[in-house]
Amino acid sequence: DAKTTQPPSMDCAEGRAANLPCNHSTISGNEYVYWYRQIHSQGPQYIIHGLKNNETNEMASLIITEDRKSSTLILPHATLRDTAVYYCIVKGHQTGANNLFFGTGTRLTVIP
Amino acid sequence: SQTIHQWPATLVQPVGSPLSLECTVEGTSNPNLYWYRQAAGRGLQLLFYSVGIGQISSEVPQNLSASRPQDRQFILSSKKLLLSDSGFYLCAWSARAGAGELFFGEGSRLTVL
Repeated sequence: DAKTTQPPSMDCAEGRAANLPCNHSTISGNEYVYWYRQIHSQGPQYIIHGLKNNETNEMASLIITEDRKSSTLILPHATLRDTAVYYCIVKGHQTGANNLFFGTGTRLTVIP
Repeated sequence: SQTIHQWPATLVQPVGSPLSLECTVEGTSNPNLYWYRQAAGRGLQLLFYSVGIGQISSEVPQNLSASRPQDRQFILSSKKLLLSDSGFYLCAWSARAGAGELFFGEGSRLTVL
């Protein structure tokens, strides 16, 4: 089921930008890229999603390469509260069952 | 604004005992509802989803069941728990079927001894 590849862990200094990569080389034309994060012992939190254009919201920016085979989630000024597991997911907007596949993600540790 | 609550937050149950986890959503109508399970150190596994009252779809065979007695209520049950049922159970909702934006509850941590 895994359609994405992420590094298992990353560190980032507090206040610096955290850049989390994701490879999705088999993404199809109608599939979106979604990002979620899960802070320890909490439910996952939706962050952002995009199709082919770069997206930005109050939490993060999503940069998708022109060929759509990879993307990067950017947390512009990481804080200690951003320490979490970040999941990159590809999914089409077809009707029917939700089929978000949460793999093992990237464990981001923000260091003081 | 929409909120989702699930309870209990933590429970310890003996093997063979029953289980009931509840989830309610407020501030929206006709949500799509989901139950996920997360084993220690693993990703999330979709167990059940529901697009309406009384409509339940199961994603994996197991000794768990789900029910949706009201529009914004979703219940996960078991008649006899197994050790392998231990895990972190998460309820979630979305505005429509197939949506990629899910909103999760706080989770219920179940330990079966």
